Amino acid sequence: AQSVSQHNHHVILSEAASLELGCNYSYGGTVNLFWYVQYPGQHLQLLLKYFSGDPLVKGIKGFEAEFIKSKFSFNLRKPSVQWSDTAEYFCAVNNRLTGGGNKLTFGTGTQLKVEL
Amino acid sequence: GAGVSQTPSNKVTEKGKYVELRCDPISGHTALYWYRQSLGQGPEFLIYFQGTGAADDSGLPNDRFFAVRPEGSVSTLKIQRTERGDSAVYLCASSPGGGPSGANVLTFGAGSRLTVL
Repeated sequence: AQSVSQHNHHVILSEAASLELGCNYSYGGTVNLFWYVQYPGQHLQLLLKYFSGDPLVKGIKGFEAEFIKSKFSFNLRKPSVQWSDTAEYFCAVNNRLTGGGNKLTFGTGTQLKVEL
Repeated sequence: GAGVSQTPSNKVTEKGKYVELRCDPISGHTALYWYRQSLGQGPEFLIYFQGTGAADDSGLPNDRFFAVRPEGSVSTLKIQRTERGDSAVYLCASSPGGGPSGANVLTFGAGSRLTVL
């Protein structure tokens, strides 16, 4: 079974610092990759996704992620974080060969706190 | 509707009781998913519907859990003989379709927080 690892469980940054959150997955086949964000008191929202093509994908609010197939990684980055980026971030993967649907496998999440 | 709606938002019940959680997906979305999120964990897949039928129920933990979507829209997750370990946030999501490539974006609801005493 596939699994997703997010190594940083809690990250604290000052405003304007750069962010990189790690995500590694175990499955070696063709995958679709996602980052979801959950702001305090809100529901899960899509931040960005990778299906195919350019491995560097850009999402909302200045976030980007790079798919590196050889490293089974899909790390999330932002050059300069803001206080409003305080949230929990989830990496998720699904396997294109499962024959349909979106049986997403999620990581355990990274809680990001941005301090003023 | 504009988003995925889940009711109730909070449910407290006693061990052994029966619980129903409801999900109203985005209008026109044919695919509907149930996930469970325990404290400190990411969402865990339970079941996926394409239309009225359960396309994949491999995530249901045991036969106390059951879900239906009789008219291909609203879905109900049913939990019998609840146990304290069932306490979690139950998330529903929908997408326009569950295509074979899996290249669909799920839109999540706010969740139903279940507490079993």
